[in-house]
Amino acid sequence: AQSVTQLDSQVPVFEEAPVELRCNYSSSVSVYLFWYVQYPNQGLQLLLKYLSGSTLVKGINGFEAEFNKSQTSFHLRKPSVHISDTAEYFCAVVYGGSQGNLIFGKGTKLSVKP
Amino acid sequence: GAVVSQHPSRVICKSGTSVKIECRSLDFQATTMFWYRQFPKKSLMLMATSNEGSKATYEQGVEKDKFLINHASLTLSTLTVTSAHPEDSSFYICSARDFFAGPSYNEQFFGPGTRLTVL
Repeated sequence: AQSVTQLDSQVPVFEEAPVELRCNYSSSVSVYLFWYVQYPNQGLQLLLKYLSGSTLVKGINGFEAEFNKSQTSFHLRKPSVHISDTAEYFCAVVYGGSQGNLIFGKGTKLSVKP
Repeated sequence: GAVVSQHPSRVICKSGTSVKIECRSLDFQATTMFWYRQFPKKSLMLMATSNEGSKATYEQGVEKDKFLINHASLTLSTLTVTSAHPEDSSFYICSARDFFAGPSYNEQFFGPGTRLTVL
């Protein structure tokens, strides 16, 4: 079955340190990949997306992600985090040939400590 | 960018009453809208896909008679929780796809969510 795996449910990190949030998807001919951020009691905000083209995608708030087809991964990275980056991060995938439904990972809680 | 609104943002109701939540695409047309439910500290669970002018498609395990969905126009979908009970308390989020987005059609734009509390 098609799925999205976020291996880390929680990632604690100190302010100004780099961070990587991992995301793996099921192998498929075509995929569209997304990272969303959710702050407490709010909806989802799109951080970045991969639809086609360059495999390195830059998003808002200094985040970037790289689509790696051979490893079926779409890890999210930021070179230096801030306290304000503390939030829940969701990886999501639309599998080509499906009804276009987003399949979400279980989320990773990023906690940035001073 | 595309904006999706939800109303109300919060609602508290008594057990047994019905609650309607509206989802609007403000600056684009959405032939397809999605309704999700999110439990505390959990991921989003797709409840149903709402198609303009036709019946919604419900995910397995979601009671269609309890969660009524209407998508009467290209900019509005509504979710009505009928005879709400405390176990229906949750965070409900809608999203919409831009029909004319071309290659970006697969991107969903999310509303801010509605916090439902049933007493």
